[in-house]
Amino acid sequence: AQKVTQAQTEISVVEKEDVTLDCVYETRDTTYYLFWYKQPPSGELVFLIRRNSFDEQNEISGRYSWNFQKSTSSFNFTITASQVVDSAVYFCALRGPNFGNEKLTFGTGTRLTIIP
Amino acid sequence: GAVVSQHPSWVICKSGTSVKIECRSLDFQATTMFWYRQFPKQSLMLMATSNEGSKATYEQGVEKDKFLINHASLTLSTLTVTSAHPEDSSFYICSASRGEYGNQPQHFGDGTRLSIL
Repeated sequence: AQKVTQAQTEISVVEKEDVTLDCVYETRDTTYYLFWYKQPPSGELVFLIRRNSFDEQNEISGRYSWNFQKSTSSFNFTITASQVVDSAVYFCALRGPNFGNEKLTFGTGTRLTIIP
Repeated sequence: GAVVSQHPSWVICKSGTSVKIECRSLDFQATTMFWYRQFPKQSLMLMATSNEGSKATYEQGVEKDKFLINHASLTLSTLTVTSAHPEDSSFYICSASRGEYGNQPQHFGDGTRLSIL
């Protein structure tokens, strides 16, 4: 069975601080895919990143960076120099490799509040 | 821009009314779409997998007769909440993937806020 754990329920930081959102996953698949989604107050889910299990290279996109550590089954997300617009709920998700097996297993989400 | 369109965004109706929610993939064909439900301050719960041309696959605990899913074309899936009651009030979100393999991200609609009075 697949499982995604986001232990941090809520985080508040002052604007311009860096913040890291943790994600730990469990799966028996040797090939799998990890995702991060952002859900702003308006409700829509915005795709941020996808990472394949066979690619452990970390990724940076502007102020966002992701640290994938297969050895610890973690896929953490860091926002540097946070801004108020970063306030949202962030979901980490896991998906298997098989044809037709497209279910996303979501974590419980981390509510991030950036204080101006 | 948006690749999955969901309509309507808001629905407020009386108890006993049936409500239909549409999910469209805008620039790609989606043989599979997904319907999620989200309660306030909670995560997304997968309700069912919608398959074009065949019956939907429902998750355990989801009432098939309550939540009717029709995936009549490669770009449209509908979720009908039949005889809705206040406990059905929730945020419903659909998603679709461009590809058939795990490496394609799911794109989500903007969601539908359903309030049953």
